[in-house]
Amino acid sequence: GAGVSQSPRYKVAKRGQDVALRCDPISGHVSLFWYQQALGQGPEFLTYFQNEAQLDKSGLPSDRFFAERPEGSVSTLKIQRTQQEDSAVYLCASSTRTSENTGELFFGEGSRLTVL
Amino acid sequence: GENVEQHPSTLSVQEGDSAVIKCTYSDSASNYFPWYKQELGKRPQLIIDIRSNVGEKKDQRIAVTLNKTAKHFSLHITETQPEDSAVYFCAAGKRGSYGKLTFGQGTILTVHP
Repeated sequence: GAGVSQSPRYKVAKRGQDVALRCDPISGHVSLFWYQQALGQGPEFLTYFQNEAQLDKSGLPSDRFFAERPEGSVSTLKIQRTQQEDSAVYLCASSTRTSENTGELFFGEGSRLTVL
Repeated sequence: GENVEQHPSTLSVQEGDSAVIKCTYSDSASNYFPWYKQELGKRPQLIIDIRSNVGEKKDQRIAVTLNKTAKHFSLHITETQPEDSAVYFCAAGKRGSYGKLTFGQGTILTVHP
């Protein structure tokens, strides 16, 4: 497809379960971001990849959050031992821009995680 | 780090009226200011952006103004239509930060027919 694709769109997890969220960026986009969007809030930065390198993970809220992009394309955000406060929409975005400038981020439709 | 504040949190207007949303930012090094529109349950989509070397940019009914001295920027929508109803987010980014954006909290715009 032409856009950023995320799966699953909806995920319900029991507290303590592990979850994995997938992002398929636009083909050829070097940069990939994960954002967390709590209900009624703006997206908050979690982590950034340039190709397969994770250059910034300063926004990950705890060591229960882990992201990877092993081949520089598809990315997975993993949350271990989920807690209720992890409930949010997880947005993936990709971009052609790299380090020297900013430009449009193309977002996926997000994965809505509900932790019971 | 950068902090972006957005006001108002909700805005209700009649069709045909203008709407203005304002944002302030804290990092004077920020030089890129996009606005995203997010319809309910949909992905955020870029509607307009401005870089720090200009003070205003227009695209049909939408305009953005930037005051670097005061560190604030605004979105102006004229002749609003019901399909403009959505959540609008401002954001700030800067050179050398690989495109990372800091977002405001969002404004829910409702346009009444």
